[in-house]
Amino acid sequence: GNSVTQMEGPVTLSEEAFLTINCTYTATGYPSLFWYVQYPGEGLQLLLKATKADDKGSNKGFEATYRKETTSFHLEKGSVQVSDSAVYFCALLSPNTGNQFYFGTGTSLTVIP
Amino acid sequence: NAGVTQTPKFQVLKTGQSMTLQCAQDMNHNSMYWYRQDPGMGLRLIYYSASEGTTDKGEVPNGYNVSRLNKREFSLRLESAAPSQTSVYFCASSVGQGPTYEQYFGPGTRLTVT
Repeated sequence: GNSVTQMEGPVTLSEEAFLTINCTYTATGYPSLFWYVQYPGEGLQLLLKATKADDKGSNKGFEATYRKETTSFHLEKGSVQVSDSAVYFCALLSPNTGNQFYFGTGTSLTVIP
Repeated sequence: NAGVTQTPKFQVLKTGQSMTLQCAQDMNHNSMYWYRQDPGMGLRLIYYSASEGTTDKGEVPNGYNVSRLNKREFSLRLESAAPSQTSVYFCASSVGQGPTYEQYFGPGTRLTVT
């Protein structure tokens, strides 16, 4: 079956620290991988995506590389800001299951000044 | 630009009551979705509508019904609410299905069933 496992939070970092949020997946076929971000009181927004192995998605200083050999899609940012405080969700989209999204449990990030 | 709107924002129901959650999008998207978000479980797909006139079950459809009223609107109905349906419900829409098409989410409805 399809599933996503991401590191549990909450994560608290100081401003300008390096961020890594781990994400691994199990999927049938060749899924696409996504990171979504949820700011307080809002719905989810797409942060970045990668549709095939070795692709790197990037947006707003965040990056993630689709690693098929380790079934991973870890999110990284070199220097976080207070405005990055949010909940981050890793997700996969599998064409083998009607293009349904499967989400991880979410990782809460708080960045302190 | 409103995007995806949901009503109500909050709702408290007693066990056995019924209600309909409303969702509308103004982006001319073909596909619409209903998710629930529970602590420690991420988002799970309840139902989706790939295009106007079609609906399909997702991962957790039991206890829910949906109606794709027209291209803009996709409602979720709880016929007899249960405490296990306490959750935050998100509606989403996309131009089409597949990895090329980003899903846009509404702000959510927080439902409590007592």
